[in-house]
Formats: sequence, structure tokens, C-alpha cells
Amino acid sequence: KAGVTQTPRYLIKTRGQQVTLSCSPISGHRSVSWYQQTPGQGLQFLFEYFSETQRNKGNFPGRFSGRQFSNSRSEMNVSTLELGDSALYLCASSSRGVTDTQYFGPGTRLTVL
Amino acid sequence: AQSVTQLGSHVSVSEGALVLLRCNYSSSVPPYLFWYVQYPNQGLQLLLKYTSAATLVKGINGFEAEFKKSETSFHLTKPSAHMSDAAEYFCAVSPYNQGGKLIFGQGTELSVKP
Repeated sequence: KAGVTQTPRYLIKTRGQQVTLSCSPISGHRSVSWYQQTPGQGLQFLFEYFSETQRNKGNFPGRFSGRQFSNSRSEMNVSTLELGDSALYLCASSSRGVTDTQYFGPGTRLTVL
Repeated sequence: AQSVTQLGSHVSVSEGALVLLRCNYSSSVPPYLFWYVQYPNQGLQLLLKYTSAATLVKGINGFEAEFKKSETSFHLTKPSAHMSDAAEYFCAVSPYNQGGKLIFGQGTELSVKP
């Protein structure tokens, strides 16, 4: 089985721009979660989608949004980028979430200048 | 709110020595607990998980962890460190009834000296 793929792997944007990141889960997985990883804050949960519905949301401003398509692929969008949004964005997929093993993608490294 | 605390942001051991990475959690109900490993420029890989079955959990690459409810701990151990174990390790808890959400500790970077 192919693993979780994330595109693009690297991205450079400037303040005020918006960005869309993509995540393709493992075939058959219906849950996709997104995390932000920074040196200062560590790994923080952004949101989880299950069968096209947002099931959980972390404590991030409304500039961070996401969606999931019928084929379980997910996108996250960050509008009005700030310097502090520079981070590694990881997505993870699982069959149902909860006790199921979450498989992580390699991440998208976003740099905001 | 549930949280995870990893004691020691950096741990250094000699090759062949015992690896012990500490994790304590706060939870009012028995949680699901996980250990993940992250190698440089890669995503996270699951080492092992506790989901209220056996309290001693065996994972990949010779790692194991013991769930101790009385101590609210879930420490990760490996009897003999290998150079390839050098990486960052994260303990995580899945809050009750919150789907696939994981709350991570701050991570422990493991160095292995030859």
C-alpha cells in the first residue's frame, strides 16, 4: 500500500499570502488529521476530518481551514499568512481515528518571509 | 484538559546501554497512549500504542512501554541502544471521545554515542 503523501514538500510564501496544502491518505482510510510542528510549540493538532466532515478542531485561528473530499483526500488552507505560520505541517490518516494507528506523511515545510 | 509531559528534552546514551524515555499523562479516564519516533526531515512513525489491553506493550525495533495507572506514566524503554535509534521521540495521548485527535508531548531527542 502506498503511504500518506503530502504536496508540496516545500513552500515559500510571503506575509499576507494564502496557501493550500494537500494530503492524500492511505487507500481506504477515512480519517485525516492535520498537525502543525514548530520548534517552540511542538506538535499541535489543527483539525480532523472523517468522511468529509470536520470531527475535531484544535485551538487555531479561523485563518486555518480545511476540507475533505469524497475520495478522502484533504486540503488545508491558511489565509493571510503570518511569520509565525512557518512550520512543518503534517497530516495523518487512519481507518477510523481513535485507537487505529495513525500513519503520518512526510510533511510540508512552509516558510513565510 | 488532557496533557502529556515528557521529562528531559535531550537524552544521551551509549550504544548498547538501556534507553529510558519518560512520559507522564494527565487524564481523568484511562486514555489511549502512543509513542512515535521522528527521524530528521521525516514524518512520525508509530512505535507502539496502549489501548487498555495488556499494560506492557511491545512495539517495533525492540521498544516497549509499560502503562502504570497509579503513576500516570507510560515510559518507553529499550534494553540495548543502537546508533540507528538516534531520533526524536514523542509521547501522545488520544483524549476520550475525540476521534483521531492526538495531544503530543514536547518530544525527547535521543542521542546514541558509539
